[in-house]
Amino acid sequence: GAGVSQTPSNKVTEKGKYVELRCDPISGHTALYWYRQSLGQGPEFLIYFQGTGAADDSGLPNDRFFAVRPEGSVSTLKIQRTERGDSAVYLCASSLYQGSDEQFFGPGTRLTVL
Amino acid sequence: AQSVTQPDIHITVSEGASLELRCNYSYGATPYLFWYVQSPGQGLQLLLKYFSGDTLVQGIKGFEAEFKRSQSSFNLRKPSVHWSDAAEYFCAVGFYSSASKIIFGSGTRLSIRP
Repeated sequence: GAGVSQTPSNKVTEKGKYVELRCDPISGHTALYWYRQSLGQGPEFLIYFQGTGAADDSGLPNDRFFAVRPEGSVSTLKIQRTERGDSAVYLCASSLYQGSDEQFFGPGTRLTVL
Repeated sequence: AQSVTQPDIHITVSEGASLELRCNYSYGATPYLFWYVQSPGQGLQLLLKYFSGDTLVQGIKGFEAEFKRSQSSFNLRKPSVHWSDAAEYFCAVGFYSSASKIIFGSGTRLSIRP
């Protein structure tokens, strides 16, 4: 079956621009997670959705970052006024239920801010 | 604060030799524990997980891990490594108090010597 997909796989943008990163979870998974992985580091939690609502957005670094999941399936991570420090791989994961259930990760979107 | 420590940044072992990757966590109660593997250009794949019960956990690809509460450790082991095991390995911790969030260690890069 299809796994978690993320588009685009690579995104290059200029400082100050707006970007959107898309995540398509595994069909039927109710929970969706966004992580950010900087070079040489482990993934860092950003936000988690249960259904359509953001259940925990404590990892979003500042108000330039925002994520939505309007229909409880596909999610979009939005970054305004990008900065060079936003360059990283953005990972999306989904799980059947929240909590202890296994999270299945997508291949990530590599964002480069010039 | 909750944290995960992987003290070894890079380990090289000979093919066929045994492997142990170290992981320590900081948390006031019993956490959920995971080991993930990330190969170049690949997404994160779950190797094994511990939630409760038997403290020795078997995973995929011949890996196992042992939860030691007294040492706050969850070390990953494999009796005989294969060249295909070369990858980045991440220990991760989930918490009952925040059922969705997973905190990752910084990773250990495993190289295999022919």
